[in-house]
Amino acid sequence: IAGITQAPTSQILAAGRRMTLRCTQDMRHNAMYWYRQDLGLGLRLIHYSNTAGTTGKGEVPDGYSVSRANTDDFPLTLASAVPSQTSVYFCASSPHALGQTTDTQYFGPGTRLTVL
Amino acid sequence: AQSVAQPEDQVNVAEGNPLTVKCTYSVSGNPYLFWYVQYPNRGLQFLLKYITGDNLVKGSYGFEAEFNKSQTSFHLKKPSALVSDSALYFCAVRDMKTGYQKVTFGTGTKLQVIP
Repeated sequence: IAGITQAPTSQILAAGRRMTLRCTQDMRHNAMYWYRQDLGLGLRLIHYSNTAGTTGKGEVPDGYSVSRANTDDFPLTLASAVPSQTSVYFCASSPHALGQTTDTQYFGPGTRLTVL
Repeated sequence: AQSVAQPEDQVNVAEGNPLTVKCTYSVSGNPYLFWYVQYPNRGLQFLLKYITGDNLVKGSYGFEAEFNKSQTSFHLKKPSALVSDSALYFCAVRDMKTGYQKVTFGTGTKLQVIP
C-alpha cells in the first residue's frame, strides 16, 4: 500500500507561471487536505475536501485552487505563482471528515516549491 | 477560535534521559488533541491522540502524553530518549464545540537527542 503520493518532489518555478501539485491516495479515504509548512508558522490549511465533488477553504486559500473529481486525487493549482508561495506543501487524508469523527490524518511526503 | 502553542522551538536532551515536549491549547469546547512527528524530508506521522477518558495517553515508539484540563496542556513525554527520536514534533488541536472541520497545528518543536 503506497498511502499518499505527491508529485513532483520539488520544483523551481518562475513567478507568474501556473503550477499543479498532484496528490493521490489509495486508502479510499473520504477527506483530503492541502497544507503549507513554513518555518516558524507550522502547518496551515489551504483547502480541504470532505468527499469527492466537494471542496472548502482553509486558513490561507488565496492564490490556490483545488478540485476533487474522484476519491483518490486532490490536485492543488497555483494559477499565477508568486514568491510568497515558496513553501513545502503537504497533502493529507483521513477516512472521514474531521468535523464528524476524531480520525487522524495521514500525510504525503511533501512537495518543496520555490518560486523565483 | 482554537489555538495551540508550543513554547520551545528546540529541546535538547541526552540519550537515555527522560524528555518532555510542551504543548498548551485553547478551545471553547472540549479538545481533541494530537501529536505528530516529522522526520527530515518526510511528511508528518501520527504519534498519539487524546479524545476522552484516561488523561495519560500512550502512543507509538514509547511516547506518551498527559492531558491536563486545568492547565490546558498536553505535554509529550518519553521515559528514555533515543538518538532516533530526534525529529520535529507537532501538537495539534480540534475544538469539538465549534464543529469547524479543521485541525490547528502548533509551530513545531525540534527535538535533538544527544548521544
